[in-house]
Amino acid sequence: NAGVMQNPRHLVRRRGQEARLRCSPMKGHSHVYWYRQLPEEGLKFMVYLQKENIIDESGMPKERFSAEFPKEGPSILRIQQVVRGDSAAYFCASSPPPGRETQYFGPGTRLLVL
Amino acid sequence: GQNIDQPTEMTATEGAIVQINCTYQTSGFNGLFWYQQHAGEAPTFLSYNVLDGLEEKGRFSSFLSRSKGYSYLLLKELQMKDSASYLCAVTKAAGNKLTFGGGTRVLVKP
Repeated sequence: NAGVMQNPRHLVRRRGQEARLRCSPMKGHSHVYWYRQLPEEGLKFMVYLQKENIIDESGMPKERFSAEFPKEGPSILRIQQVVRGDSAAYFCASSPPPGRETQYFGPGTRLLVL
Repeated sequence: GQNIDQPTEMTATEGAIVQINCTYQTSGFNGLFWYQQHAGEAPTFLSYNVLDGLEEKGRFSSFLSRSKGYSYLLLKELQMKDSASYLCAVTKAAGNKLTFGGGTRVLVKP
Protein backbone atom coordinates (compact mmCIF):
# COMPACT_ATOMS: atom_id res chain seq x y z
CA ASN A 1 0.00 0.00 0.00
CA ALA A 2 1.77 3.10 -1.24
CA GLY A 3 1.97 6.03 1.11
CA VAL A 4 1.04 9.62 0.36
CA MET A 5 2.80 10.70 -2.81
CA GLN A 6 3.82 14.22 -3.71
CA ASN A 7 5.49 15.62 -6.77
CA PRO A 8 7.66 17.24 -7.62
CA ARG A 9 9.92 16.78 -4.61
CA HIS A 10 11.83 19.94 -5.46
CA LEU A 11 10.60 22.88 -7.51
CA VAL A 12 12.50 26.01 -8.49
CA ARG A 13 10.58 29.01 -9.80
CA ARG A 14 11.44 32.59 -10.61
CA ARG A 15 9.42 35.42 -9.11
CA GLY A 16 6.14 35.87 -10.97
CA GLN A 17 5.90 32.29 -12.23
CA GLU A 18 3.29 29.74 -11.23
CA ALA A 19 3.91 26.70 -9.02
CA ARG A 20 1.76 23.57 -9.14
CA LEU A 21 2.18 21.00 -6.38
CA ARG A 22 0.53 17.60 -6.60
CA CYS A 23 -0.58 15.18 -3.92
CA SER A 24 -1.99 11.66 -4.26
CA PRO A 25 -3.46 10.39 -0.96
CA MET A 26 -3.00 6.93 0.42
CA LYS A 27 -5.29 4.29 -1.03
CA GLY A 28 -8.64 4.40 0.72
CA HIS A 29 -8.12 7.92 2.06
CA SER A 30 -10.64 10.51 0.99
CA HIS A 31 -9.40 13.54 2.94
CA VAL A 32 -6.43 15.69 1.98
CA TYR A 33 -4.72 18.43 3.98
CA TRP A 34 -2.03 20.86 2.89
CA TYR A 35 0.49 22.33 5.33
CA ARG A 36 3.35 24.76 4.84
CA GLN A 37 6.64 24.76 6.75
CA LEU A 38 8.70 27.90 6.42
CA PRO A 39 12.44 27.63 7.15
CA GLU A 40 13.07 27.13 10.88
CA GLU A 41 9.33 27.30 11.64
CA GLY A 42 6.58 24.87 12.56
CA LEU A 43 3.99 23.36 10.26
CA LYS A 44 1.03 25.61 9.49
CA PHE A 45 -2.31 24.38 8.18
CA MET A 46 -3.42 25.75 4.83
CA VAL A 47 -6.44 23.87 3.48
CA TYR A 48 -8.54 20.73 3.98
CA LEU A 49 -10.29 19.08 1.06
CA GLN A 50 -12.44 16.12 0.23
CA LYS A 51 -13.15 15.01 -3.32
CA GLU A 52 -14.59 17.99 -5.26
CA ASN A 53 -15.10 19.92 -2.04
CA ILE A 54 -13.10 22.43 0.03
CA ILE A 55 -13.94 21.83 3.69
CA ASP A 56 -11.71 24.39 5.42
CA GLU A 57 -9.48 26.96 3.73
CA SER A 58 -8.94 29.15 6.78
CA GLY A 59 -5.14 28.85 6.50
CA MET A 60 -4.87 29.82 2.85
CA PRO A 61 -3.48 33.26 1.96
CA LYS A 62 -6.25 35.37 0.48
CA GLU A 63 -4.51 35.93 -2.84
CA ARG A 64 -2.50 33.84 -5.31
CA PHE A 65 -3.13 30.49 -3.58
CA SER A 66 -5.77 27.95 -4.57
CA ALA A 67 -6.36 24.24 -4.05
CA GLU A 68 -8.51 21.56 -5.57
CA PHE A 69 -9.15 17.85 -5.21
CA PRO A 70 -10.99 16.70 -8.32
CA LYS A 71 -13.09 13.56 -8.66
CA GLU A 72 -10.26 11.95 -10.60
CA GLY A 73 -6.58 12.60 -10.12
CA PRO A 74 -4.41 14.16 -7.44
CA SER A 75 -5.02 17.17 -5.26
CA ILE A 76 -3.34 20.31 -6.61
CA LEU A 77 -2.01 23.27 -4.66
CA ARG A 78 -1.49 26.17 -7.03
CA ILE A 79 0.51 29.29 -6.30
CA GLN A 80 0.29 32.06 -8.84
CA GLN A 81 2.88 34.83 -9.28
CA VAL A 82 5.24 33.34 -6.71
CA VAL A 83 7.32 35.61 -4.47
CA ARG A 84 10.46 34.81 -2.48
CA GLY A 85 8.41 34.50 0.70
CA ASP A 86 6.63 31.48 -0.79
CA SER A 87 9.86 29.47 -0.52
CA ALA A 88 9.02 26.68 1.89
CA ALA A 89 8.32 22.99 2.22
CA TYR A 90 4.73 22.13 1.35
CA PHE A 91 3.43 18.92 2.89
CA CYS A 92 0.30 17.06 2.00
CA ALA A 93 -1.36 14.67 4.45
CA SER A 94 -4.25 12.29 4.00
CA SER A 95 -6.63 10.51 6.32
CA PRO A 96 -9.47 8.02 6.09
CA PRO A 97 -13.07 9.16 6.55
CA PRO A 98 -13.89 10.74 9.95
CA GLY A 99 -13.63 8.47 12.95
CA ARG A 100 -10.10 7.35 12.14
CA GLU A 101 -8.42 10.67 12.00
CA THR A 102 -4.68 10.05 11.97
CA GLN A 103 -3.10 12.08 9.20
CA TYR A 104 -0.22 10.56 7.27
CA PHE A 105 2.21 12.88 5.56
CA GLY A 106 3.80 12.78 2.15
CA PRO A 107 7.50 13.55 1.56
CA GLY A 108 6.79 17.19 0.76
CA THR A 109 7.61 19.54 -2.08
CA ARG A 110 10.40 21.99 -1.44
CA LEU A 111 9.71 25.17 -3.35
CA LEU A 112 12.52 27.62 -3.95
CA VAL A 113 11.66 30.98 -5.49
CA LEU A 114 14.60 32.81 -7.02
CA GLY B 1 -7.40 30.89 19.19
CA GLN B 2 -4.94 28.12 19.87
CA ASN B 3 -1.62 28.24 21.68
CA ILE B 4 0.66 25.20 21.80
CA ASP B 5 3.98 25.39 23.62
CA GLN B 6 6.90 23.00 23.67
CA PRO B 7 10.61 23.53 24.38
CA THR B 8 12.70 24.53 21.40
CA GLU B 9 15.61 22.19 21.98
CA MET B 10 16.74 19.36 24.26
CA THR B 11 19.97 17.39 24.48
CA ALA B 12 20.32 13.90 25.92
CA THR B 13 22.80 11.06 26.00
CA GLU B 14 22.50 7.80 24.10
CA GLY B 15 20.74 5.19 26.25
CA ALA B 16 19.10 7.79 28.48
CA ILE B 17 15.47 8.94 28.77
CA VAL B 18 14.07 12.25 27.58
CA GLN B 19 10.65 13.75 28.29
CA ILE B 20 9.27 16.37 25.91
CA ASN B 21 6.46 18.45 27.36
CA CYS B 22 3.65 20.11 25.45
CA THR B 23 1.07 22.46 26.89
CA TYR B 24 -1.92 23.71 24.97
CA GLN B 25 -4.67 26.27 25.29
CA THR B 26 -7.31 25.73 22.66
CA SER B 27 -10.91 26.69 22.02
CA GLY B 28 -12.13 23.13 21.63
CA PHE B 29 -10.08 19.98 21.92
CA ASN B 30 -10.48 16.49 20.51
CA GLY B 31 -7.11 14.80 20.53
CA LEU B 32 -3.35 15.29 20.63
CA PHE B 33 -0.77 13.87 18.24
CA TRP B 34 2.97 13.45 18.37
CA TYR B 35 5.00 13.30 15.17
CA GLN B 36 8.71 12.78 14.57
CA GLN B 37 10.42 14.76 11.82
CA HIS B 38 13.99 14.20 10.71
CA ALA B 39 15.65 17.15 8.99
CA GLY B 40 14.45 17.50 5.41
CA GLU B 41 11.90 14.72 5.73
CA ALA B 42 8.16 14.33 6.28
CA PRO B 43 6.61 14.11 9.76
CA THR B 44 5.92 10.51 10.74
CA PHE B 45 3.14 9.55 13.13
CA LEU B 46 4.16 8.45 16.63
CA SER B 47 1.09 8.57 18.86
CA TYR B 48 -2.44 9.81 19.33
CA ASN B 49 -4.09 10.52 22.71
CA VAL B 50 -7.76 11.27 23.17
CA LEU B 51 -8.34 10.10 26.74
CA ASP B 52 -6.34 10.92 29.86
CA GLY B 53 -3.50 8.60 30.66
CA LEU B 54 -0.41 6.97 29.31
CA GLU B 55 -0.13 5.20 25.96
CA GLU B 56 2.96 3.03 25.58
CA LYS B 57 4.36 1.92 22.26
CA GLY B 58 7.77 0.31 22.46
CA ARG B 59 10.44 2.83 23.46
CA PHE B 60 8.01 5.72 23.06
CA SER B 61 5.16 6.63 25.42
CA SER B 62 2.75 9.55 25.36
CA PHE B 63 0.72 10.99 28.21
CA LEU B 64 -2.29 13.29 28.18
CA SER B 65 -4.10 15.30 30.86
CA ARG B 66 -7.10 17.04 29.32
CA SER B 67 -7.93 18.96 32.51
CA LYS B 68 -4.41 20.44 32.65
CA GLY B 69 -3.97 20.96 28.92
CA TYR B 70 -0.74 18.99 29.11
CA SER B 71 0.96 16.16 27.30
CA TYR B 72 4.40 14.64 27.23
CA LEU B 73 6.30 12.31 24.95
CA LEU B 74 8.74 9.99 26.69
CA LEU B 75 11.61 8.50 24.73
CA LYS B 76 13.46 5.67 26.45
CA GLU B 77 16.77 3.96 25.65
CA LEU B 78 17.69 6.79 23.35
CA GLN B 79 19.45 5.94 20.11
CA MET B 80 21.41 8.22 17.83
CA LYS B 81 18.68 7.86 15.19
CA ASP B 82 16.22 9.48 17.61
CA SER B 83 17.89 12.84 16.93
CA ALA B 84 15.03 14.68 15.25
CA SER B 85 12.31 17.25 15.83
CA TYR B 86 9.25 16.13 17.76
CA LEU B 87 6.02 17.89 16.92
CA CYS B 88 3.02 18.20 19.20
CA ALA B 89 -0.30 18.86 17.41
CA VAL B 90 -3.93 19.12 18.48
CA THR B 91 -7.26 18.74 16.71
CA LYS B 92 -10.58 20.32 17.60
CA ALA B 93 -12.69 17.58 16.09
CA ALA B 94 -12.32 14.23 14.40
CA GLY B 95 -10.95 14.63 10.90
CA ASN B 96 -10.12 18.26 11.52
CA LYS B 97 -6.92 20.14 10.77
CA LEU B 98 -3.82 19.71 12.91
CA THR B 99 -2.53 22.73 14.79
CA PHE B 100 1.17 22.28 15.53
CA GLY B 101 3.50 23.60 18.17
CA GLY B 102 6.88 24.87 17.06
CA GLY B 103 8.53 21.49 17.53
CA THR B 104 11.27 20.32 19.90
CA ARG B 105 14.65 19.52 18.41
CA VAL B 106 16.23 16.61 20.27
CA LEU B 107 19.93 15.99 19.93
CA VAL B 108 21.22 12.63 21.11
CA LYS B 109 24.91 12.59 21.96
CA PRO B 110 27.13 9.51 22.29
